[in-house]
Amino acid sequence: AQTVTQSQPEMSVQEAETVTLSCTYDTSESDYYLFWYKQPPSRQMILVIRQEAYKQQNATENRFSVNFQKAAKSFSLKISDSQLGDAAMYFCAYDGNKLVFGAGTILRVKS
Amino acid sequence: SAVISQKPSRDICQRGTSLTIQCQVDSQVTMMFWYRQQPGQSLTLIATANQGSEATYESGFVIDKFPISRPNLTFSTLTVSNMSPEDSSIYLCSVGQNYGYTFGSGTRLTVV
Repeated sequence: AQTVTQSQPEMSVQEAETVTLSCTYDTSESDYYLFWYKQPPSRQMILVIRQEAYKQQNATENRFSVNFQKAAKSFSLKISDSQLGDAAMYFCAYDGNKLVFGAGTILRVKS
Repeated sequence: SAVISQKPSRDICQRGTSLTIQCQVDSQVTMMFWYRQQPGQSLTLIATANQGSEATYESGFVIDKFPISRPNLTFSTLTVSNMSPEDSSIYLCSVGQNYGYTFGSGTRLTVV
């Protein structure tokens, strides 16, 4: 079965600085998708970024980018120029034919 | 992207009773997913609901406890039956689309 591991239960970053959230996964599949979702206290799940496994180029969405290392099964999220509104729980998720979530990382942003 | 309306947003229920959660999608979707998020934890898939067939349940979840209906391509319900305090969680529905998955706003259930 596929598993997703987020080894950082909690991270802190100063406003305007950069932070990287880690994620590793385990699969024997070659074709899949990876996602980062953000869950603020409102509990709404918000898609931050997605990566197709067959694409070597790392996905980027404005201040959010990923470092996708397929051979290492690693999928980290970099948030640049952190803002107070980035404070939330971040979930890494693997999609083979259904979503499997990591345990989540709480991100705190200090002003 | 699809918009999902999930109701109720929260409820407090007595143990032994049942609660039905509804999700309405603004477009037709083949599969809908139901998740449970226990306090301070990640999301766990309960079941996948296809229109016109029985839902497929994940290990640890059974139909008698979490019956699901999927009467058409835009609507689904999840019932939490014979509730106990251990069922206190957030329940979310989701649909898959080309760019990813969209989630409802969640139902916060407290069983007393």
